[in-house]
Amino acid sequence: GENVEQHPSTLSVQEGDSAVIKCTYSDSASNYFPWYKQELGKRPQLIIDIRSNVGEKKDQRIAVTLNKTAKHFSLHITETQPEDSAVYFCAARTTGGGNKLTFGTGTQLKVEL
Amino acid sequence: GAVVSQHPSRVICKSGTSVKIECRSLDFQATTMFWYRQFPKQSLMLMATSNEGSKATYEQGVEKDKFLINHASLTLSTLTVTSAHPEDSSFYICSARDQGGLGYTFGSGTRLTVV
Repeated sequence: GENVEQHPSTLSVQEGDSAVIKCTYSDSASNYFPWYKQELGKRPQLIIDIRSNVGEKKDQRIAVTLNKTAKHFSLHITETQPEDSAVYFCAARTTGGGNKLTFGTGTQLKVEL
Repeated sequence: GAVVSQHPSRVICKSGTSVKIECRSLDFQATTMFWYRQFPKQSLMLMATSNEGSKATYEQGVEKDKFLINHASLTLSTLTVTSAHPEDSSFYICSARDQGGLGYTFGSGTRLTVV
């Protein structure tokens, strides 16, 4: 089955700096890669996603890049703000097995003033 | 947008009892429901996938007789934790996909504490 690795597990940045979180996946059949932000005790919130036929996608301060050959994808947050502090999860969907999402291990992002 | 209502949000139960968690899709038909468990400071781990009207598919290591999943309608799926033990204490979250498969809508989660 699919295996998703995520790094780093914790990331501390100064307000205004950029943050980058990286994920790798194992199943070349995976075709959809969402990123979620989760605050303590809350549901995951989709912040951006990318499909396998696209190499990059941007939405204001957030961007995602995908390298299908290397099977890795990254989340980029620019001009970080304190409210960006949360746990971020990457995920990968494989068409087989019911289109389930496999999540990465999570990154605790802390944006310091 | 699509909304999944999950209840209860918090529940405390005694060891040996059963707890039922409900997820309802409010404005769409959820053909597939995914049930996750999340321990503190860990990732979401898929427990099972259920499709309306059919038996759930459980992930390896998840006891199907302990975690009963029912998806009898396109708007309601339930997870029953039977004979709960303290090690079952966790955050349980459902996630629904509609027929169009446009995305995954998460419930708000249920914090289960078994004492």
